[in-house]
Amino acid sequence: GQNIDQPTEMTATEGAIVQINCTYQTSGFNGLFWYQQHAGEAPTFLSYNVLDGLEEKGRFSSFLSRSKGYSYLLLKELQMKDSASYLCAGMDSNYQLIWGAGTKLIIKP
Amino acid sequence: GAVVSQHPSRVICKSGTSVKIECRSLDFQATTMFWYRQFPKKSLMLMATSNEGSKATYEQGVEKDKFLINHASLTLSTLTVTSAHPEDSSFYICSAPGLAEINEQFFGPGTRLTVL
Repeated sequence: GQNIDQPTEMTATEGAIVQINCTYQTSGFNGLFWYQQHAGEAPTFLSYNVLDGLEEKGRFSSFLSRSKGYSYLLLKELQMKDSASYLCAGMDSNYQLIWGAGTKLIIKP
Repeated sequence: GAVVSQHPSRVICKSGTSVKIECRSLDFQATTMFWYRQFPKKSLMLMATSNEGSKATYEQGVEKDKFLINHASLTLSTLTVTSAHPEDSSFYICSAPGLAEINEQFFGPGTRLTVL
């Protein structure tokens, strides 16, 4: 079956770095997405990986290892506004997104 | 980037009534749109895939007669919740595929439905 696993909740300190891990199993693979979602709002796109390696975009970076079925989202220089849920989603061979349950990130001053 | 709008953003209705939610791609054409439902503190659940000019494809467990989907044009898909009940109260989000190169989906802002 298809499955996405990520931690339910993480806590980090303002200014620090946090890594949110995600493991995936999909029928075929057309990429791994990370989305940010604030409470009551729709998800917003953060990153897309389809090849192995690290993609850096400002304070956010995303890594993919296809052989391990593993990805992580790295957030640097954490700000209070980064408090949100982070959703990992794998795209299967039918180009459908398989969603993880989301990781709630709590930033403390 | 591409913009997807939804209307209304919030709706409160009485039990037994029907509610229509619109999803529009504003600056691009979308032959396919996706409808999701999200419960509090839960991830998105794909309800159906809306296809322009043909019938929608529903996920297992989603009632076709309850959640009517119409994709009448390349920029508009509608979801109608028929004979709404309190358990239909949820956050409904639509999305449309974007750039083929990265398989990105663009999400609408969502519609909060409350059924009394």
